[in-house]
Amino acid sequence: RKEVEQDPGPFNVPEGATVAFNCTYSNSASQSFFWYRQDCRKEPKLLMSVYSSGNEDGRFTAQLNRASQYISLLIRDSKLSDSATYLCVVNLVGFKTIFGAGTRLFVKA
Amino acid sequence: SQTIHQWPATLVQPVGSPLSLECTVEGTSNPNLYWYRQAAGRGLQLLFYSVGIGQISSEVPQNLSASRPQDRQFILSSKKLLLSDSGFYLCAWGSHYTEAFFGQGTRLTVV
Repeated sequence: RKEVEQDPGPFNVPEGATVAFNCTYSNSASQSFFWYRQDCRKEPKLLMSVYSSGNEDGRFTAQLNRASQYISLLIRDSKLSDSATYLCVVNLVGFKTIFGAGTRLFVKA
Repeated sequence: SQTIHQWPATLVQPVGSPLSLECTVEGTSNPNLYWYRQAAGRGLQLLFYSVGIGQISSEVPQNLSASRPQDRQFILSSKKLLLSDSGFYLCAWGSHYTEAFFGQGTRLTVV
């Protein structure tokens, strides 16, 4: 079983749609969690951290369920500029940062 | 502020040639350092990580090796490149509990 698993995608949605990405992780000792965004042929960049209480940044909402070892990202009112690959990231105890394979999102006019 | 430098940005190498990619970090001490590889259209694969000078952990058996001769320097090497080594190589740094920050990556094509 992979340490971090994501919906494979791609997700094709119209502008204005709401889209949700899911991610599961296998190591219960995982300590911190993030969502990254990667544009084509670029390095990944941090989108937002994920907290147990859930957190929101504008149109983006991230949630963590430690009991189920599950992370989610919700994007509301999708924009064309949201088209990218979204990577779920888990920090294991101490030092190991594991990335999911990513989910591609295409937002169409 | 912390910055991470990775070079070169692109590289074309013949099969069987050696490889050396360098990554340096500024503005932080004792960072955790990582090398990832991303094949075309695929996710990030963790290759190596290091928590200190001379301390390297390898995630997958492969044709590559890594070294950390200084606290803020991380080097990825190969003695003889294979076609399958082509990909987008990313260096990153992080610390306990924080997110990872990436260099701009090296796009390697082995021909």
